[in-house]
Amino acid sequence: GAVVSQHPSRVICKSGTSVKIECRSLDFQATTMFWYRQFPKQSLMLMATSNEGSKATYEQGVEKDKFLINHASLTLSTLTVTSAHPEDSSFYICSAAGTIGFYGYTFGSGTRLTVV
Amino acid sequence: GDSVTQMEGPVTLSEEAFLTINCTYTATGYPSLFWYVQYPGEGLQLLLKATKADDKGSNKGFEATYRKETTSFHLEKGSVQVSDSAVYFCALAYDKVIFGPGTSLSVIP
Repeated sequence: GAVVSQHPSRVICKSGTSVKIECRSLDFQATTMFWYRQFPKQSLMLMATSNEGSKATYEQGVEKDKFLINHASLTLSTLTVTSAHPEDSSFYICSAAGTIGFYGYTFGSGTRLTVV
Repeated sequence: GDSVTQMEGPVTLSEEAFLTINCTYTATGYPSLFWYVQYPGEGLQLLLKATKADDKGSNKGFEATYRKETTSFHLEKGSVQVSDSAVYFCALAYDKVIFGPGTSLSVIP
């Protein structure tokens, strides 16, 4: 149980375009989802926390207008990187927590974004 | 604020050697503690967890004990295999997960 699916696994986009990444909880309802960013050979940095039906809470230094997060249902959250630039290239990972109250222990497989 | 510190890598071991990766944390309360593993190009997999002091988490031969007195959660394995080569992250959680910097492990035949 507790499977989180993330799609796409890899995406290449042109500079200036927008990219949407989906995170789905397949077998449980995720009241809270988390989005992380990971640079090569570095740890995961929390970008934002989203609760179903409400606005996401962004960590300090993360641009809200650039990284749009939507958590419209209990099984789906999306991260949209708007007007992407090469410096946005990174590995993005989502995590979901269910209604049992345990936070962020199931992670998606990640999305490798390359902006050219 | 809350934070996690891990021993610096990379760590290189021969197959069947004993593994210890040190992890200490700073927290204002009593978080849950985890070890995650990340294989190249992949997401994170939960390796083991402990939710309260003196709990021991174990999985696939790996173990870690939640030590409140030393604020530590060291990862150990008695005999590593080549397939254990990966990056290991120690983490704590209250309402969100905070990761340590990760420790890269290479096991050579």
